[in-house]
Amino acid sequence: GAGVSQSPSNKVTEKGKDVELRCDPISGHTALYWYRQSLGQGLEFLIYFQGNSAPDKSGLPSDRFSAERTGGSVSTLTIQRTQQEDSAVYLCASSRTVGRADEQFFGPGTRLTVL
Amino acid sequence: KNQVEQSPQSLIILEGKNCTLQCNYTVSPFSNLRWYKQDTGRGPVSLTIMTFSENTKSNGRYTATLDADTKQSSLHITASQLSDSASYICEITSGTYKYIFGTGTRLKVLA
Repeated sequence: GAGVSQSPSNKVTEKGKDVELRCDPISGHTALYWYRQSLGQGLEFLIYFQGNSAPDKSGLPSDRFSAERTGGSVSTLTIQRTQQEDSAVYLCASSRTVGRADEQFFGPGTRLTVL
Repeated sequence: KNQVEQSPQSLIILEGKNCTLQCNYTVSPFSNLRWYKQDTGRGPVSLTIMTFSENTKSNGRYTATLDADTKQSSLHITASQLSDSASYICEITSGTYKYIFGTGTRLKVLA
């Protein structure tokens, strides 16, 4: 595809359930980023990948959050034992490389609602 | 603490009018500054990027300015259109990959 895609677009789950969010970056982009956008808050950095490795996981809010990337392409963000405070829009972005001037291209996001 | 503050929080203007959005930051080290436009239900899209040494950058009707001494940036929108209604987000890149975002200004353009 031409852009970054994310699925599902919307996810409603019950507290305590696990959820898995998927991101398909632009083909050829080696860098991939996950962000969380809560109402009235700026984008919160969660994790980034350079290829399949994640050099910086410091943005993950708790050990219930994990992410992986396989084949240098698709990435999944998993939230275990979801809590109501996890409700937010989860955005994925990709860029050609990890570099200060490289533009990030964002997907449309997954809106997660935890009841 | 690295922070990016934007003002106003929201703004309503009439079609055809100009407006200016503000971004103040306390981020170090500073690599570059981007302004993004985010339509409802979509991801942000980059409008401009400026490095430390640049003080103005234009993209059509959008003009961004940067004063690295006072750590202030502005985004000026000329001759606004209905399609400009969106959130505008200021982002500072710190180092190689640290991206720090403001909370955005929500702009509404009325006919």
